[in-house]
Amino acid sequence: SYVLTQPPSVSVAPGQTARITCGGNNIGSKSVHWYQQRPGQAPVLVVHDNSDRPSGIPERFSGSNSGNTATLGISRVEAGDEADYYCQVWDSSSDPVFGGGTKVTVL
Amino acid sequence: EVQLVESGGGLVQPGGSLRLSCAASGFSVSSYWTSWVRQAPGMGLEWVASIKQHGSERIYVDSVKGRFTIFRDNAKNSLYLQMNSLTAADTAVYYCARVRTYYDSGNSQYFFDSWGQGTLVTVSS
Repeated sequence: SYVLTQPPSVSVAPGQTARITCGGNNIGSKSVHWYQQRPGQAPVLVVHDNSDRPSGIPERFSGSNSGNTATLGISRVEAGDEADYYCQVWDSSSDPVFGGGTKVTVL
Repeated sequence: EVQLVESGGGLVQPGGSLRLSCAASGFSVSSYWTSWVRQAPGMGLEWVASIKQHGSERIYVDSVKGRFTIFRDNAKNSLYLQMNSLTAADTAVYYCARVRTYYDSGNSQYFFDSWGQGTLVTVSS
């Protein structure tokens, strides 16, 4: 089955930009979706189809996908962005799969 | 507003059974793929099962095939997960989620656009 690889943790200072990577074989040919999960809460979709934001998600959240790496960017990081972030892919040729998750710590 | 409310979790002995429910509002479960996703304590998200909006197509992660059954009741607008032969490895918070689908790059694409708050299943003697 398809494997998505994320770094376990990323640390960022307030006001800076966090970049969370999601690696996969030729992931650039797939559509990647991202979820935020704050402690004790359910996941929330923050980016779908590589770079689209659902209604209500700040413009500070952005996504890109090329080659073997998809990236979620969080600009002007705030304390409230501290959470676990998961990438995910699912198309008609394979079952759903999540990355292992990345814990974002705001210093 | 889309809402998903899970129930039915609890403590069950190894080998036992449990049925989870997910009451949906703000949309019709007969019009969307819907899924169960679980999260073991301190671990990441793991997709468990999904059911297509039309017909009876269902898919499962290998570790639950033959033990879990996903189904829905359109009249009650609810999704269910029947879990049998439970083991400690099934201990997790179980989330139900609505699935959005679209067509891109020659394939259907899917993502989870709304989630419930989760229900905890603990398998222990």
